[in-house]
Amino acid sequence: EAQVTQNPRYLITVTGKKLTVTCSQNMNHEYMSWYRQDPGLGLRQIYYSMNVEVTDKGDVPEGYKVSRKEKRNFPLILESPSPNQTSLYFCASSRPAARGETQYFGPGTRLLVL
Amino acid sequence: DAKTTQPPSMDCAEGRAANLPCNHSTISGNEYVYWYRQIHSQGPQYIIHGLKNNETNEMASLIITEDRKSSTLILPHATLRDTAVYYCIVRSSAFFGGSQGNLIFGKGTKLSVKP
Repeated sequence: EAQVTQNPRYLITVTGKKLTVTCSQNMNHEYMSWYRQDPGLGLRQIYYSMNVEVTDKGDVPEGYKVSRKEKRNFPLILESPSPNQTSLYFCASSRPAARGETQYFGPGTRLLVL
Repeated sequence: DAKTTQPPSMDCAEGRAANLPCNHSTISGNEYVYWYRQIHSQGPQYIIHGLKNNETNEMASLIITEDRKSSTLILPHATLRDTAVYYCIVRSSAFFGGSQGNLIFGKGTKLSVKP
C-alpha cells in the first residue's frame, strides 16, 4: 500500500531536549516536505526536499533542521525545541508530473513542548 | 500562486450532492486547480485536480468555468464520512518550475454532512 509514515504520532517533551520526527514514504517520490498546522494559521511549509541531498527552506524554517540521505526518508530535527513549536506536523511526498502532481500526506505527529 | 476564496462553511444532507465553490480570479494559464480535504486532524487527502477541462474520479467531479476564474467540487452522494475541511488550491506544476512541493492551504470550507 502506498503510504507516508511518521513516527512518533504523539510526543511530549521539554524545552531544549533534542528530538527527531521520522518520515518515510514507499512510493519512490522525489519531493518530500514538512508542514506544521496551527489553529488559525493553517498548514505552513517548514522545509522541502527535491531529491537526495537537496533541501531548502519553506515558509517557517526557524528552529528546524532536515536531512535527505535516502530517497525514502526525510526526518525533521528540532535541536532545541521551544513551546512555540508545539504543533501538529505533517510530512508529505510527491513526484513531479507534467499534468500536476498529487501530494500524499502522512498521518501527522502531534508535538507538545513544555 | 493565485489566491483562492471559499465559503467558510456549508451543510449538506446525507445522500445529496455537495457542491463546494471556489473563486480563483487571478489564476494564470499554467496553474492547476487542486482540491484536498482534511478530516478532523488527519493528514490532508488529495481529491482531484484539473487545468481547464472538467475532471471526474471515483471520489468527486471538478467543474472549472470556461474563463477558469472559478470552480466547483462536486461530491455526488455525500456521506457522513465526507464531513471535513475542503481546500481549494491553485498552483503551477512543480514539473514546470512551480513552487516545489509547496501547497498553500487557505482556511478552506468546513463541510458538515447531516443525517
